[in-house]
Amino acid sequence: DAMVIQNPRYQVTQFGKPVTLSCSQTLNHNVMYWYQQKSSQAPKLLFHYYDKDFNNEADTPDNFQSRRPNTSFCFLDIRSPGLGDAAMYLCATSSDRALNQPQHFGDGTRLSIL
Amino acid sequence: KNQVEQSPQSLIILEGKNCTLQCNYTVSPFSNLRWYKQDTGRGPVSLTIMTFSENTKSNGRYTATLDADTKQSSLHITASQLSDSASYICVVSAGNRDDKIIFGKGTRLHILP
Repeated sequence: DAMVIQNPRYQVTQFGKPVTLSCSQTLNHNVMYWYQQKSSQAPKLLFHYYDKDFNNEADTPDNFQSRRPNTSFCFLDIRSPGLGDAAMYLCATSSDRALNQPQHFGDGTRLSIL
Repeated sequence: KNQVEQSPQSLIILEGKNCTLQCNYTVSPFSNLRWYKQDTGRGPVSLTIMTFSENTKSNGRYTATLDADTKQSSLHITASQLSDSASYICVVSAGNRDDKIIFGKGTRLHILP
């Protein structure tokens, strides 16, 4: 009964080769988030969608883009991955952007760059 | 600057013992504070959420406290189990709808049999 599902769990790509990570949710939540988490560090917010409204963090590299074709799905595209982009990528949802709503996280996709 | 500091960075205790993890924050205006448990290779799972008016909240063997005056929170784990081995992340939300969610770096807890 997983509620936030990320595929794949592990992704290996080559330096500079575009890669797409996917996230789906069964919660019908309005808000979806993408975080980057490196080893022993806090998750870093890349961007979030409130419904179809896209919100980019100021320090998110242009190399990272996102798509949300419908409520249930959200994609993270990395156009030209560099070695520094190797990390765990976490997708999360919440019912509303109001900050007292809990976030529900997926189990992440661990991205390795060769 | 909005910051969330957690201590200790890591902790090792024997199974069955209690422990307390600390979270100090400099976040304004404060909205709420959450504790998450993150197992290795998994996403964070919410344990507790506390708003300004709440000073304690329990979830089974986990009890979180909040002192909004001193901007401190603690997570107390009672009668630890091997499955409690994980990272515990303190997250503080600032302001209202469009404002920030600030993550601490977490405390890595190891429970030894």
